Amino acid sequence: GEDVEQSLFLSVREGDSSVINCTYTDSSSTYLYWYKQEPGAGLQLLTYIFSNMDMKQDQRLTVLLNKKDKHLSLRIADTQTGDSAIYFCAETFSGGYNKLIFGAGTRLAVHP
Amino acid sequence: EAQVTQNPRYLITVTGKKLTVTCSQNMNHEYMSWYRQDPGLGLRQIYYSMNVEVTDKGDVPEGYKVSRKEKRNFPLILESPSPNQTSLYFCASSPSGGGGYTFGSGTRLTVV
Repeated sequence: GEDVEQSLFLSVREGDSSVINCTYTDSSSTYLYWYKQEPGAGLQLLTYIFSNMDMKQDQRLTVLLNKKDKHLSLRIADTQTGDSAIYFCAETFSGGYNKLIFGAGTRLAVHP
Repeated sequence: EAQVTQNPRYLITVTGKKLTVTCSQNMNHEYMSWYRQDPGLGLRQIYYSMNVEVTDKGDVPEGYKVSRKEKRNFPLILESPSPNQTSLYFCASSPSGGGGYTFGSGTRLTVV
Protein backbone atom coordinates (compact mmCIF):
# COMPACT_ATOMS: atom_id res chain seq x y z
CA GLY A 1 0.00 0.00 0.00
CA GLU A 2 0.90 3.63 -0.07
CA ASP A 3 2.84 4.91 2.93
CA VAL A 4 5.15 7.86 3.51
CA GLU A 5 7.18 8.15 6.70
CA GLN A 6 9.15 11.02 8.20
CA SER A 7 10.82 11.69 11.51
CA LEU A 8 8.70 14.09 13.53
CA PHE A 9 11.24 16.57 14.82
CA LEU A 10 14.59 18.13 13.90
CA SER A 11 16.52 20.83 15.74
CA VAL A 12 19.45 22.68 14.13
CA ARG A 13 21.62 25.68 14.87
CA GLU A 14 21.24 28.78 12.72
CA GLY A 15 23.73 28.71 9.85
CA ASP A 16 24.09 24.90 9.84
CA SER A 17 22.63 22.62 7.19
CA SER A 18 19.36 20.78 7.86
CA VAL A 19 18.58 17.40 6.38
CA ILE A 20 15.01 16.16 6.51
CA ASN A 21 14.45 12.55 5.52
CA CYS A 22 11.47 10.67 4.09
CA THR A 23 10.85 7.08 3.06
CA TYR A 24 8.04 5.81 0.87
CA THR A 25 6.82 2.35 0.01
CA ASP A 26 5.24 2.53 -3.43
CA SER A 27 7.71 2.14 -6.30
CA SER A 28 5.18 3.49 -8.82
CA SER A 29 5.57 7.05 -7.56
CA THR A 30 5.83 9.63 -10.34
CA TYR A 31 6.59 12.87 -8.51
CA LEU A 32 7.91 13.47 -5.00
CA TYR A 33 7.30 16.79 -3.30
CA TRP A 34 8.42 18.86 -0.37
CA TYR A 35 5.90 21.26 1.14
CA LYS A 36 6.50 23.80 3.91
CA GLN A 37 3.85 24.81 6.45
CA GLU A 38 4.45 27.84 8.63
CA PRO A 39 2.32 28.39 11.76
CA GLY A 40 -1.26 29.31 10.90
CA ALA A 41 -0.64 29.04 7.18
CA GLY A 42 -1.39 26.68 4.33
CA LEU A 43 1.11 24.47 2.58
CA GLN A 44 3.66 26.05 0.30
CA LEU A 45 5.23 23.95 -2.44
CA LEU A 46 9.01 24.18 -1.97
CA THR A 47 10.28 21.87 -4.65
CA TYR A 48 9.58 18.59 -6.37
CA ILE A 49 11.51 15.90 -8.20
CA PHE A 50 10.42 13.54 -10.93
CA SER A 51 10.97 9.90 -10.08
CA ASN A 52 13.55 9.36 -12.82
CA MET A 53 15.86 12.02 -11.34
CA ASP A 54 18.47 11.55 -8.59
CA MET A 55 19.00 15.11 -7.50
CA LYS A 56 17.56 18.56 -7.87
CA GLN A 57 19.05 21.81 -6.58
CA ASP A 58 17.21 25.07 -6.16
CA GLN A 59 19.14 27.83 -4.38
CA ARG A 60 19.56 26.68 -0.74
CA LEU A 61 17.49 23.53 -1.29
CA THR A 62 18.86 20.20 -2.48
CA VAL A 63 16.62 17.19 -3.00
CA LEU A 64 18.17 13.73 -3.20
CA LEU A 65 16.24 10.68 -4.36
CA ASN A 66 17.45 7.12 -3.83
CA LYS A 67 14.96 5.00 -5.76
CA LYS A 68 16.52 1.71 -4.72
CA ASP A 69 16.01 2.46 -1.02
CA LYS A 70 12.83 4.54 -1.64
CA HIS A 71 14.43 7.39 0.30
CA LEU A 72 13.98 11.10 -0.29
CA SER A 73 15.81 13.88 1.51
CA LEU A 74 15.65 17.67 1.63
CA ARG A 75 18.80 19.56 2.53
CA ILE A 76 18.53 23.22 3.50
CA ALA A 77 21.88 25.00 3.41
CA ASP A 78 22.63 27.88 5.80
CA THR A 79 19.44 27.31 7.78
CA GLN A 80 17.78 30.50 9.03
CA THR A 81 15.17 31.15 11.73
CA GLY A 82 12.67 31.79 8.93
CA ASP A 83 13.07 28.16 7.92
CA SER A 84 11.40 27.03 11.16
CA ALA A 85 8.24 25.25 10.02
CA ILE A 86 6.74 21.82 9.41
CA TYR A 87 8.02 20.11 6.27
CA PHE A 88 5.89 17.53 4.51
CA CYS A 89 7.08 14.91 2.09
CA ALA A 90 4.43 13.81 -0.45
CA GLU A 91 4.20 11.58 -3.48
CA THR A 92 1.90 11.08 -6.44
CA PHE A 93 1.34 8.09 -8.72
CA SER A 94 0.77 7.35 -12.35
CA GLY A 95 -2.80 6.53 -13.35
CA GLY A 96 -4.34 9.70 -14.73
CA TYR A 97 -4.83 11.49 -11.45
CA ASN A 98 -2.23 13.12 -9.24
CA LYS A 99 -3.42 12.23 -5.75
CA LEU A 100 -1.00 13.40 -3.07
CA ILE A 101 0.01 11.00 -0.29
CA PHE A 102 1.57 12.88 2.63
CA GLY A 103 3.91 11.96 5.43
CA ALA A 104 3.09 13.14 8.95
CA GLY A 105 5.47 16.10 8.68
CA THR A 106 8.82 17.00 10.27
CA ARG A 107 8.90 20.01 12.57
CA LEU A 108 12.15 21.92 12.03
CA ALA A 109 13.26 24.15 14.91
CA VAL A 110 16.13 26.56 14.24
CA HIS A 111 17.90 27.99 17.28
CA PRO A 112 20.60 30.65 17.57
CA GLU B 1 -2.65 36.76 -7.92
CA ALA B 2 -2.99 33.00 -8.45
CA GLN B 3 -4.57 31.51 -5.37
CA VAL B 4 -6.97 29.12 -3.69
CA THR B 5 -9.42 30.88 -1.39
CA GLN B 6 -11.21 29.11 1.43
CA ASN B 7 -13.88 30.49 3.71
CA PRO B 8 -14.30 30.72 6.59
CA ARG B 9 -10.83 30.57 8.19
CA TYR B 10 -12.25 29.61 11.57
CA LEU B 11 -15.58 28.01 12.44
CA ILE B 12 -17.06 26.73 15.69
CA THR B 13 -20.32 24.86 15.35
CA VAL B 14 -22.53 22.42 17.23
CA THR B 15 -23.06 18.76 16.53
CA GLY B 16 -25.62 18.15 13.79
CA LYS B 17 -25.80 21.66 12.33
CA LYS B 18 -25.14 21.53 8.59
CA LEU B 19 -22.26 23.63 7.34
CA THR B 20 -20.43 24.38 4.10
CA VAL B 21 -16.81 25.40 3.63
CA THR B 22 -16.28 27.17 0.33
CA CYS B 23 -13.24 26.85 -1.93
CA SER B 24 -12.47 28.80 -5.07
CA GLN B 25 -9.43 28.87 -7.39
CA ASN B 26 -8.55 31.36 -10.12
CA MET B 27 -5.97 29.31 -12.02
CA ASN B 28 -8.33 27.33 -14.29
CA HIS B 29 -7.06 24.10 -12.69
CA GLU B 30 -8.79 20.81 -13.51
CA TYR B 31 -8.03 18.99 -10.28
CA MET B 32 -9.31 20.04 -6.88
CA SER B 33 -9.09 18.21 -3.55
CA TRP B 34 -10.05 18.52 0.06
CA TYR B 35 -7.71 17.36 2.83
CA ARG B 36 -7.94 17.27 6.58
CA GLN B 37 -4.88 17.67 8.79
CA ASP B 38 -4.70 16.06 12.20
CA PRO B 39 -1.69 15.94 14.56
CA GLY B 40 0.65 13.04 13.84
CA LEU B 41 -1.33 11.97 10.76
CA GLY B 42 -0.26 14.48 8.14
CA LEU B 43 -2.87 15.35 5.53
CA ARG B 44 -5.48 12.85 4.44
CA GLN B 45 -7.59 13.25 1.33
CA ILE B 46 -11.37 13.53 1.82
CA TYR B 47 -12.66 13.98 -1.74
CA TYR B 48 -11.25 14.99 -5.06
CA SER B 49 -12.51 16.20 -8.42
CA MET B 50 -10.89 15.77 -11.82
CA ASN B 51 -13.19 18.24 -13.56
CA VAL B 52 -16.70 19.70 -13.53
CA GLU B 53 -19.27 17.15 -12.38
CA VAL B 54 -16.54 14.53 -11.79
CA THR B 55 -15.89 13.81 -8.11
CA ASP B 56 -14.72 10.77 -6.15
CA LYS B 57 -13.95 9.66 -2.63
CA GLY B 58 -10.53 9.97 -1.11
CA ASP B 59 -9.25 8.09 1.94
CA VAL B 60 -11.58 9.54 4.60
CA PRO B 61 -14.88 10.53 2.90
CA GLU B 62 -17.34 9.47 5.63
CA GLY B 63 -19.49 12.36 6.84
CA TYR B 64 -18.58 14.69 3.96
CA LYS B 65 -20.07 15.66 0.60
CA VAL B 66 -18.71 17.76 -2.24
CA SER B 67 -19.94 19.19 -5.53
CA ARG B 68 -18.21 20.60 -8.62
CA LYS B 69 -20.78 22.53 -10.62
CA GLU B 70 -18.23 25.07 -11.86
CA LYS B 71 -14.55 24.61 -12.56
CA ARG B 72 -13.42 27.23 -10.05
CA ASN B 73 -15.51 26.14 -7.04
CA PHE B 74 -15.37 23.00 -4.90
CA PRO B 75 -17.37 23.34 -1.68
CA LEU B 76 -17.11 20.86 1.19
CA ILE B 77 -20.40 20.04 2.92
CA LEU B 78 -20.84 18.52 6.36
CA GLU B 79 -24.51 17.52 6.55
CA SER B 80 -24.42 16.54 10.25
CA PRO B 81 -21.06 17.46 11.80
CA SER B 82 -19.73 15.44 14.71
CA PRO B 83 -16.88 16.18 17.17
CA ASN B 84 -14.54 13.75 15.36
CA GLN B 85 -14.66 16.11 12.38
CA THR B 86 -12.90 18.79 14.41
CA SER B 87 -9.80 19.36 12.30
CA LEU B 88 -7.87 21.71 10.03
CA TYR B 89 -9.18 21.52 6.46
CA PHE B 90 -7.33 22.42 3.29
CA CYS B 91 -8.58 22.84 -0.23
CA ALA B 92 -6.07 22.47 -3.05
CA SER B 93 -6.00 22.66 -6.84
CA SER B 94 -3.64 21.40 -9.51
CA PRO B 95 -3.35 21.52 -13.29
CA SER B 96 -3.75 18.23 -15.15
CA GLY B 97 -0.67 16.22 -16.15
CA GLY B 98 1.33 16.46 -12.95
CA GLY B 99 2.86 19.28 -10.97
CA GLY B 100 2.24 20.35 -7.44
CA TYR B 101 -0.95 21.39 -5.77
CA THR B 102 -1.62 24.96 -4.66
CA PHE B 103 -3.20 25.00 -1.21
CA GLY B 104 -5.61 27.37 0.43
CA SER B 105 -4.84 28.90 3.84
CA GLY B 106 -6.97 26.39 5.71
CA THR B 107 -10.21 26.29 7.71
CA ARG B 108 -9.99 25.39 11.37
CA LEU B 109 -13.26 23.70 12.29
CA THR B 110 -14.34 22.89 15.84
CA VAL B 111 -17.48 20.83 16.41
CA VAL B 112 -18.77 20.86 20.00
